[in-house]
Amino acid sequence: QKEVEQNSGPLSVPEGAIASLNCTYSDRVSQSFFWYRQYSGKSPELIMSIYSNGDKEDGRFTAQLNKASQYVSLLIRDSQPSDSATYLCAVNPLGGYNKLIFGAGTRLAVHP
Amino acid sequence: GAVVSQHPSRVICKSGTSVKIECRSLDFQATTMFWYRQFPKQSLMLMATSNEGSKATYEQGVEKDKFLINHASLTLSTLTVTSAHPEDSSFYICSASGTSGGELFFGEGSRLTVL
Repeated sequence: QKEVEQNSGPLSVPEGAIASLNCTYSDRVSQSFFWYRQYSGKSPELIMSIYSNGDKEDGRFTAQLNKASQYVSLLIRDSQPSDSATYLCAVNPLGGYNKLIFGAGTRLAVHP
Repeated sequence: GAVVSQHPSRVICKSGTSVKIECRSLDFQATTMFWYRQFPKQSLMLMATSNEGSKATYEQGVEKDKFLINHASLTLSTLTVTSAHPEDSSFYICSASGTSGGELFFGEGSRLTVL
């Protein structure tokens, strides 16, 4: 079983819709969770971090964490074509400053 | 946000040569740096963790004699791909963690092509 799993997509949504990206992880003691956006040929950029169960909102982005279900998601409201990218879920199994384990990423395509 | 600079962004070399990639933290001290490799349409795979002043910790399956990592200062880590072969062609990305917070900051990446 992979440590961090994501649906590879592509996930296609119309402009203005809500995009829902999901991620599951296998290590129950994981403490820190991150969503990164990666455009083709570029390095990842941090979108959201979440550490506690529940929702965390930042602008059009909402991260949701459920540690009991080992599940983390990212909602993008009012999706824009510029949101089209690969979204990487990352988990820090030890918490703090340690290495991140990345999922394979979900490719999101927002069409006008 | 913090800035991590990576150089060169692209490099093409002949098989058998060695290539050095630099990763610098420009506005913070990076006690830990991580080196990732990403093949097309795949995720980032952690290669090694380097801590300033000590030997790097390599992930399983990564040859430490082939991928030499040096973290001589709090702002600079280097990855040297020795005796590069075409299968080493990939996108290499460094990231740095500062002394506070769990956030990683990524460099721009270096695309290596070995002919």
